[in-house]
Amino acid sequence: DAGITQSPRHKVTETGTPVTLRCHQTENHRYMYWYRQDPGHGLRLIHYSYGVKDTDKGEVSDGYSVSRSKTEDFLLTLESATSSQTSVYFCAISMTPGQGPQTNYGYTFGSGTRLTVV
Amino acid sequence: GQQLNQSPQSMFIQEGEDVSMNCTSSSIFNTWLWYKQDPGEGPVLLIALYKAGELTSNGRLTAQFGITRKDSFLNISASIPSDVGIYFCAGRGFSGNTGKLIFGQGTTLQVKP
Repeated sequence: DAGITQSPRHKVTETGTPVTLRCHQTENHRYMYWYRQDPGHGLRLIHYSYGVKDTDKGEVSDGYSVSRSKTEDFLLTLESATSSQTSVYFCAISMTPGQGPQTNYGYTFGSGTRLTVV
Repeated sequence: GQQLNQSPQSMFIQEGEDVSMNCTSSSIFNTWLWYKQDPGEGPVLLIALYKAGELTSNGRLTAQFGITRKDSFLNISASIPSDVGIYFCAGRGFSGNTGKLIFGQGTTLQVKP
């Protein structure tokens, strides 16, 4: 299995508090992604990173920020959590497209973090 | 932006039946992928398709990359209880080299023993 871990696995927090989720990989993959999963919406991209200190917004980035100070860690921060951010959050990693065999173009996902904002 | 429409949204079938689900895109993709998500886990890659018209099998699973590059389907033959889960299609377009995938909404499969 690819070395990708998310922490924490579960968290309950109060509205208005900051929350940071961590994604850690041991695969040395260049690309890292944060998705949220909600019923009826599938997986929606929040932010992604294409290298250390190189990040960009996804389709649902409002209210979220990210940081990547080293290859193996990608942090997702909810600056001031709201109930609409209750969701399951997944981190994913991938190799750089165009390098390696085509079978490596897919994402490898972590096991997810279930966040509840009350 | 690019969107994927995945259907059906859910299926409830009898063990042993065949299953078919598909995805259509509003734009052309150069890669189609199919994932399965078990309860409480992240999605896991089942099949990857890289050429228009490509037909690929993985055990009881068969997927095809549509000729128009705007669609793909996944078939599961002789379903078994462990096939239960959410199946996602995903596609990658030609916009730059960022590797970003776009995901469908998912098809929830339930299998009755």
